[in-house]
Amino acid sequence: EDQVTQSPEALRLQEGESSSLNCSYTVSGLRGLFWYRQDPGKGPEFLFTLYSAGEEKEKERLKATLTKKESFLHITAPKPEDSATYLCAVQSPEYNNNDMRFGAGTRLTVKP
Amino acid sequence: GAVVSQHPSWVICKSGTSVKIECRSLDFQATTMFWYRQFPKQSLMLMATSNEGSKATYEQGVEKDKFLINHASLTLSTLTVTSAHPEDSSFYICSARVYAQPQHFGDGTRLSIL
Repeated sequence: EDQVTQSPEALRLQEGESSSLNCSYTVSGLRGLFWYRQDPGKGPEFLFTLYSAGEEKEKERLKATLTKKESFLHITAPKPEDSATYLCAVQSPEYNNNDMRFGAGTRLTVKP
Repeated sequence: GAVVSQHPSWVICKSGTSVKIECRSLDFQATTMFWYRQFPKQSLMLMATSNEGSKATYEQGVEKDKFLINHASLTLSTLTVTSAHPEDSSFYICSARVYAQPQHFGDGTRLSIL
């Protein structure tokens, strides 16, 4: 059973068209929820950590929010350079060594 | 800050050979390092976790004798794929962190076994 589910699997936007990516999780005792960006052929690049419901973080055109069961990554007026796969991961005491478990990611394409 | 270097970035070798991949934290001392495997258009699958000076903890289904992990110092971990076969071809990514801080990732190694 997947514990971290991301939707949609793929998203195509026009430049300037704002949208949101979803990450839902079923683990208990969330220690942290992480958002990463991954470009093709590269390792994930850290974006945000969220620890408690109601928390929000922002970076340029990205804003991450957290509830008790899901997180959203809002992209405002995206540009083509925002095209990438966005991964979320959860950290839980269910996992050894404070490991993370990743969702399958959302592949975002922003057309000019 | 928080730079992780992985080497080599790409390797092609014949079936039956062993391949070593290095992962270094360049500007911090990592308490824990992780090794992941990623198939095309799929997410990262954790293979093992290693702490400096102790044996690695492998995820269920990962062969310890196939994927040897050595974590010799607070800045270096190596993954050796022993007697590699075509089914071992994949994208391998390491990460490093300090205690419960976010993991920082290397740029991955694309391994192709002929």
